Order: sequence, then structure tokens, then C-alpha cells
Amino acid sequence: NAGVMQNPRHLVRRRGQEARLRCSPMKGHSHVYWYRQLPEEGLKFMVYLQKENIIDESGMPKERFSAEFPKEGPSILRIQQVVRGDSAAYFCASSPLGQGTGEQYFGPGTRLTVT
Amino acid sequence: QQQVKQSPQSLIVQKGGISIINCAYENTAFDYFPWYQQFPGKGPALLIAIRPDVSEKKEGRFTISFNKSAKQFSLHIMDSQPGDSATYFCAAAHETSGSRLTFGEGTQLTVNP
Repeated sequence: NAGVMQNPRHLVRRRGQEARLRCSPMKGHSHVYWYRQLPEEGLKFMVYLQKENIIDESGMPKERFSAEFPKEGPSILRIQQVVRGDSAAYFCASSPLGQGTGEQYFGPGTRLTVT
Repeated sequence: QQQVKQSPQSLIVQKGGISIINCAYENTAFDYFPWYQQFPGKGPALLIAIRPDVSEKKEGRFTISFNKSAKQFSLHIMDSQPGDSATYFCAAAHETSGSRLTFGEGTQLTVNP
């Protein structure tokens, strides 16, 4: 059973470009969470999605950031017009369907560098 | 009220010793408390978790102690090994409201051989 997959693992973007980060949850998991980890800091919640629904986006910056989890395919975190402050590691976690459990399993992360 | 405070920021332990990391929370609605282990360049890995109906949970060399009245919980690593050297994060969640995890700031553990 493959774990949570994220790609790309490393992404370099120039200021003003768009960044697209992909996350495929574990098989059988339909809950996806995105977290951001700034250098030397802990992880901060961004958004919680289920298939075709955004459940909680209270941690998302108001502008430039969006997320989706379509019926088919991976969850995508999109950052438009990136700035240097967006440089961070972005982690996706997935949780099993219907359990209502806090157990979340993390992917290896995408390390975004904005130059 | 959503904060989880973790200490110490860094910890150095000799091989075979006990590593102790502490966390405190404010939100009494939290009802799930996991610990994650993260190696450099990797994602956090779920280590052990506890819910408030028990005061202690043990899995191998790892033990969580939970004090509901003090709103504190801690991770004990017995017989610490150099391979345990990593960053440890405590977290808390309110499962019935979506389970978003609120993380502590992390503790960088170094176990010397």
C-alpha cells in the first residue's frame, strides 16, 4: 500500500510565477490536509478537503492561494504570483474515509524555493 | 487559544538515556494528541497518539503521559538511541470539528553515541 505521494519534491519558481503542488492520498483515504512548514518552524494548517469539497480553509492566505481535490486525480495546491515569503516545505496529509479520526499520514513534502 | 507550546526547543541525550519532551495546550476542546517524528528532508511520521480518556499510553520505547487537568502531555523515549535523533512535534486536534492538527514548535533531539 503506497503512502501519500507528493510531486514535485522540489520546485523552483521565480517571483510572479505560479506553483502547482500535487498530492495523491493513501489508497482508501478521501480526506486531505495541506500544511506549510517555514524554515526552522513547526507545521501550520492551511486547508482541509474532501473529494470535491473544501471543508476548512481557515489557514489559507486570503490571496493567491487555492486548493482543490477533484473527484478524479490528485489534490492540488496552487500558489499564484509567488513571492519569496512563499518559500517553504508544503506537506500533504491524508486520513481514512469516515473515521473522523485525527490520524493523518504525511507525504514527503514539496520544497518550494522562490528566487 | 489554538496554541500548542512545546519545550525544550533542543535536547541532547546520551545513548541509553531518557528523552522527555513536554507540550501544553489551551483549547479544552482538543481531544486527540499525536506525536510526530521528522527526519531532515522527510515528512512527519506518526509516532504515537493519545486521547483524553487515558493518562498514559506506551508503545515500545515511546510513552505518552497525559494530564488533562493541567492541559499538558509529554513524550518519553526510553533507552534513547542515535537513530532517534530527529525533530519531534507534538500536536493536538478536535476530531469532531475536522481534525486539523495544531502543531507545537518542535524539539530537535540529538542522541549521542
